[in-house]
Amino acid sequence: SQQGEEDPQALSIQEGENATMNCSYKTSINNLQWYRQNSGRGLVHLILIRSNEREKHSGRLRVTLDTSKKSSSLLITASRAADTASYFCATVRTGNQFYFGTGTSLTVIP
Amino acid sequence: ETGVTQSPTHLIKTRGQQVTLRCSSQSGHNTVSWYQQALGQGPQFIFQYYREEENGRGNFPPRFSGLQFPNYSSELNVNALELDDSALYLCASSEGTAPHEQYFGPGTRLTVT
Repeated sequence: SQQGEEDPQALSIQEGENATMNCSYKTSINNLQWYRQNSGRGLVHLILIRSNEREKHSGRLRVTLDTSKKSSSLLITASRAADTASYFCATVRTGNQFYFGTGTSLTVIP
Repeated sequence: ETGVTQSPTHLIKTRGQQVTLRCSSQSGHNTVSWYQQALGQGPQFIFQYYREEENGRGNFPPRFSGLQFPNYSSELNVNALELDDSALYLCASSEGTAPHEQYFGPGTRLTVT
């Protein structure tokens, strides 16, 4: 079974708006990572946040992590049509084994 | 684009057959992980190889097996194919076994009829 679950399953916004997606998980983690996938292709790493970090930024991306609630959020600011993709969170425990959530499908309308 | 390549891109097999999928890791990476991604789902961890040894396995039956070669490329073998094995198979390479980011290949789309 999946370790994490993303919410919402699908999100549709206008270009220029912000997109927020959430990830909940069940067990303790070493870090949490967000990946992007275009149309059933390979995943692309976006950002990594360690269990002792609360917030991290990378360009238009902002990730938060609340280990007490076992949840994370990914914010994409000023979205573009090219941001249309599926976004997955992956929780990483020991041994570099990744457990992916079910994904959020983001559509950005031009 | 990562430096991870997978072959073949697409494959159609019949139930009961065997299949071998291949992955070349990114230069400098000695760890390869394999994932199965069913349509509309997230990737599920199959197993990981580090320096030619299996280094962890997910909840997959023994008919899923793998190899890693001295050049760190890897194979995923699936015996006695079932219809539910139809999926996108992804490999990812990384450096060592520390929990860093992984670099994914484009995947192999397997269809079992």
